[in-house]
Amino acid sequence: GESVGLHLPTLSVQEGDNSIINCAYSNSASDYFIWYKQESGKGPQFIIDIRSNMDKRQGQRVTVLLNKTVKHLSLQIAATQPGDSAVYFCAENPFRGFQKLVFGTGTRLLVSP
Amino acid sequence: GAVVSQHPSWVICKSGTSVKIECRSLDFQATTMFWYRQFPKQSLMLMATSNEGSKATYEQGVEKDKFLINHASLTLSTLTVTSAHPEDSSFYICSAEKVQGSPLHFGNGTRLTVT
Repeated sequence: GESVGLHLPTLSVQEGDNSIINCAYSNSASDYFIWYKQESGKGPQFIIDIRSNMDKRQGQRVTVLLNKTVKHLSLQIAATQPGDSAVYFCAENPFRGFQKLVFGTGTRLLVSP
Repeated sequence: GAVVSQHPSWVICKSGTSVKIECRSLDFQATTMFWYRQFPKQSLMLMATSNEGSKATYEQGVEKDKFLINHASLTLSTLTVTSAHPEDSSFYICSAEKVQGSPLHFGNGTRLTVT
């Protein structure tokens, strides 16, 4: 079936570094992508989203890049902080007009002080 | 602040009993809510789509008679795990769309442990 996967299960960085978390998706019909952050024992928290008519979108310290040609999504976190330590999921919506998300496998980000 | 609330945040029950989990949208009406299940160190898997006033739509492989969903009002959906077994132990999370086309808001999840 359709799936969203990540290249790196764990990413360890030093505080202040920039982090890049990658995601590969397989459904070319997906037109909406979201990055979520999940801390231990909590539900996913929205970080940033992007629609398929864009290839880049910036938020506060975060940037999402979308490459539809190779079906690749990335999340860049600038000046990573210990509070950024969490599991990050990309999610895609292959169902137009209806929010039914397919989640990737997740990447754990560990930030050392 | 939280826009989607789940209750309880954790529950321990004995095998064979049933457990009800509530999902509430706090300051908006949600005609559609979603229920996910997450096993340790794994991703979120969609279980079902809860539709206000009508039957839920279940994903392939999810037993509708075991996971009863009721969406009786525009702010409340409930998931009842019937005749729970240890393999049902998991983290159950609901989500809702506050504004059409906006990102889903997720509850903080319910940790179910079946002994």
